[in-house]
Amino acid sequence: NAGVTQTPKFQVLKTGQSMTLQCAQDMNHNSMYWYRQDPGMGLRLIYYSASEGTTDKGEVPNGYNVSRLNKREFSLRLESAAPSQTSVYFCASRRTFGEEKLFFGSGTQLSVL
Amino acid sequence: GNSVTQMEGPVTLSEEAFLTINCTYTATGYPSLFWYVQYPGEGLQLLLKATKADDKGSNKGFEATYRKETTSFHLEKGSVQVSDSAVYFCALSDRGTNAGKSTFGDGTTLTVKP
Repeated sequence: NAGVTQTPKFQVLKTGQSMTLQCAQDMNHNSMYWYRQDPGMGLRLIYYSASEGTTDKGEVPNGYNVSRLNKREFSLRLESAAPSQTSVYFCASRRTFGEEKLFFGSGTQLSVL
Repeated sequence: GNSVTQMEGPVTLSEEAFLTINCTYTATGYPSLFWYVQYPGEGLQLLLKATKADDKGSNKGFEATYRKETTSFHLEKGSVQVSDSAVYFCALSDRGTNAGKSTFGDGTTLTVKP
């Protein structure tokens, strides 16, 4: 049982480059989330998708876009990467919007030079 | 808005020592409370949770009690092991209008030395 799978695990970008972080879950969960983790700042919500076909902004959405491709997949896109986006990115899912426990992927470490 | 404040780290203990990591919260509604643990190189995983006042969550020797009167959810373990070395996050999930969005503390790094 794979759970939540994120790719890639590591990525280095130059300022201005674009890239997409991929996330897929095999637990038939309805809700999916993207967080970023910065030292001393905990996890901050970037975007979320309460159910297939819907997406909403979280706490820090600027500079990002998302796509809920289907029930399994939720991608995060950086159109023009900036050094301030250097972070560790986590995808998470939960069974329903009202279900409280989150399941996390293992993270993507992104450096923007 | 909602917020979670955790005891600052890092925390370094010897094996078999007693652990307390403090966590307090503010919330507009009546939240559920969680502790997540993150081992090196991995994502977060749920350690324990409590959904109402005076509930005690427990798992792997860790415990935390939901204290509504002091808005706290402190994590404790009576005897830590080297394998408990990790980052611990306190979190809340608001079951009101923001249901589904979790708020996390900054994390506390625990190192246990043999």
